[in-house]
Amino acid sequence: SQKIEQNSEALNIQEGKTATLTCNYTNYSPAYLQWYRQDPGRGPVFLLLIRENEKEKRKERLKVTFDTTLKQSLFHITASQPADSATYLCALELTGGGNKLTFGTGTQLKVEL
Amino acid sequence: GAGVSQSPSNKVTEKGKDVELRCDPISGHTALYWYRQSLGQGLEFLIYFQGNSAPDKSGLPSDRFSAERTGGSVSTLTIQRTQQEDSAVYLCASSLTGGSDTQYFGPGTRLTVL
Repeated sequence: SQKIEQNSEALNIQEGKTATLTCNYTNYSPAYLQWYRQDPGRGPVFLLLIRENEKEKRKERLKVTFDTTLKQSLFHITASQPADSATYLCALELTGGGNKLTFGTGTQLKVEL
Repeated sequence: GAGVSQSPSNKVTEKGKDVELRCDPISGHTALYWYRQSLGQGLEFLIYFQGNSAPDKSGLPSDRFSAERTGGSVSTLTIQRTQQEDSAVYLCASSLTGGSDTQYFGPGTRLTVL
C-alpha cells in the first residue's frame, strides 16, 4: 500500500541547534515533494519544493534533500529559534497525479530556549 | 494582498443536517483545491477545480459530498446528511495555474457534527 511517513512523535530541540525532520514514502513515484509549516488553527504555509531530479534545495535557514532511491526527504532548520516551533508537513505530487498533493501526518517541532 | 478566505470558521451541526462551506480563493488563481484534515490524520485531498471544471473528484468520500465553483472564483463544498465521521477541518487552497505552483491555504472551517 502507499504510505507517507513522518515522525509521529514530537521533536524537541534546543535553540540554536539544527532540527532534522524525516519524510519517508513507499509505493509512490513523486514528480516533486513539498514541505509546509502549519501553526495551530491555521492552514499550511508553503516552505520549499524539490523536484525528483534535484538532490538538495536551500532557502535561508532551511535545507531540503530528496533521495528517490531511498524514497526519503530530509528537512533541516539550522540555527533553530523558538519561532520555528510548529508542525511540519511533507507532501508529494505524483507523476501524472493531476496536481493534487498527498500529505504526511506531520511532525511537531518544539524549539526550547 | 488578500489571501484565501473561508467561511464559516467554525460550524456545529446535528447529524443528518446539510452544511455548506465556502472558499474565496486568491483573485486570479485558476486552480482551487479542497482538503480535509481529521484529528491525527494528514491532509486528505477531496477535489480539484481548474476554472469551473473539476477534473479530479477522486477524493470525495461519498455521494453525500459535492462541490461547485462559479465564475472561476468562489467555491462551495456541500455535505448532505452529515455524519459524525464528517467532523474535521476542511481546508481550501488555490494556486495560480495548478501543476507545481505553490498552493496557498485558507484558515479552514472546523466542522463538528453532533
